[in-house]
Amino acid sequence: GAGVSQSPRYKVAKRGQDVALRCDPISGHVSLFWYQQALGQGPEFLTYFQNEAQLDKSGLPSDRFFAERPEGSVSTLKIQRTQQEDSAVYLCASSPWGLAGGLGDTQYFGPGTRLTVL
Amino acid sequence: GNSVTQMEGPVTLSEEAFLTINCTYTATGYPSLFWYVQYPGEGLQLLLKATKADDKGSNKGFEATYRKETTSFHLEKGSVQVSDSAVYFCAHGGGGSQGNLIFGKGTKLSVKP
Repeated sequence: GAGVSQSPRYKVAKRGQDVALRCDPISGHVSLFWYQQALGQGPEFLTYFQNEAQLDKSGLPSDRFFAERPEGSVSTLKIQRTQQEDSAVYLCASSPWGLAGGLGDTQYFGPGTRLTVL
Repeated sequence: GNSVTQMEGPVTLSEEAFLTINCTYTATGYPSLFWYVQYPGEGLQLLLKATKADDKGSNKGFEATYRKETTSFHLEKGSVQVSDSAVYFCAHGGGGSQGNLIFGKGTKLSVKP
């Protein structure tokens, strides 16, 4: 079966440009997470969706970051007016259960989008 | 606050050597614990997990035991192979009520033939 897919795999943007990163989770998965992974670091949480509802966006670093999942499947992470510090790998993960699944349901990760801001 | 601390790398071993990668955590409650692996050019893959104290997760010869008393989840393998060369991440699922993962910084393992 298909895993989590992300596109594009690589994105180069000039500072100030807007970018949109796409995530296709595993079909039927309720939960969707976005993480940011800086070079040489572990992933850090950005935001969480349960179906189409964005229940936690506490990890978004600024109001330039915006995420949506309008139909409860595909999600898009948008970064406006990109800055050099936004350069990182953006990871999407999905899991079968929502909040009722408890603390620690396995998350399935996509390959990530490597964003480079010049 | 919630965090994960794992031993810094890089770690370089010869084939068939014994591997230990230390991991300790701080968390509210008792979240599940995970080891994820990232092979060169690939995405994060779940290696093993443990959901409660004293559980042992195992996969592909790797093992880790959920130690509540020492808040640890050390990764071990008795005999590493060149194909085990990768970056290993320890994580716990207690980042929020929805279980977002808190990761360590990762440990790069290189196994030489």
